[in-house]
Amino acid sequence: DAKTTQPPSMDCAEGRAANLPCNHSTISGNEYVYWYRQIHSQGPQYIIHGLKNNETNEMASLIITEDRKSSTLILPHATLRDTAVYYCIVRVGAGANSKLTFGKGITLSVRP
Amino acid sequence: DAGVTQSPTHLIKTRGQQVTLRCSPKSGHDTVSWYQQALGQGPQFIFQYYEEEERQRGNFPDRFSGHQFPNYSSELNVNALLLGDSALYLCASSLEAGGANSPLHFGNGTRLTVT
Repeated sequence: DAKTTQPPSMDCAEGRAANLPCNHSTISGNEYVYWYRQIHSQGPQYIIHGLKNNETNEMASLIITEDRKSSTLILPHATLRDTAVYYCIVRVGAGANSKLTFGKGITLSVRP
Repeated sequence: DAGVTQSPTHLIKTRGQQVTLRCSPKSGHDTVSWYQQALGQGPQFIFQYYEEEERQRGNFPDRFSGHQFPNYSSELNVNALLLGDSALYLCASSLEAGGANSPLHFGNGTRLTVT
């Protein structure tokens, strides 16, 4: 399985952009990069995913490097409610063989 | 549009007992996966169900079994409970036709405590 590497924690000021890095140097050409977050005692919440191109939705932007070996999740205007554990995941396989393998994630703390 | 719902939210069982957890997938989804999350750890894949069959499984013993019903809902059964089975059990649903491009959507889980 392609593995991801994330720093254990980071913080940012409320209202500023939060840039969460992720390395996935062994990613294969057909594997997607997914981001989820988990707020204490809740289930993981889907944020965004991408294959090659940069993606943006109402929650965040995903920037994937051209060689696909790393990516950055951008929360453009962090709020206190964005404090959570963020998981960067390379989704292995397709169809029947597709699953999510979670690592330890990065704990984002948004300070007032 | 209801998301993934799980029941019960909390459960306390004694070692050696059996437990059944339930999951209703997000509307329109046909694939259900189960994950176990121990305290302080990321979720670990247990198994996945599609068309009422288990089609892939993580590194969990046979004490963990499941079922998917024709309406796509699912159950997770754990027999002979051990203290180490205490965890948050998460259900996730997705659409098979989307393959790896179809996000999994998670419920808020069932917190199982084994005493």
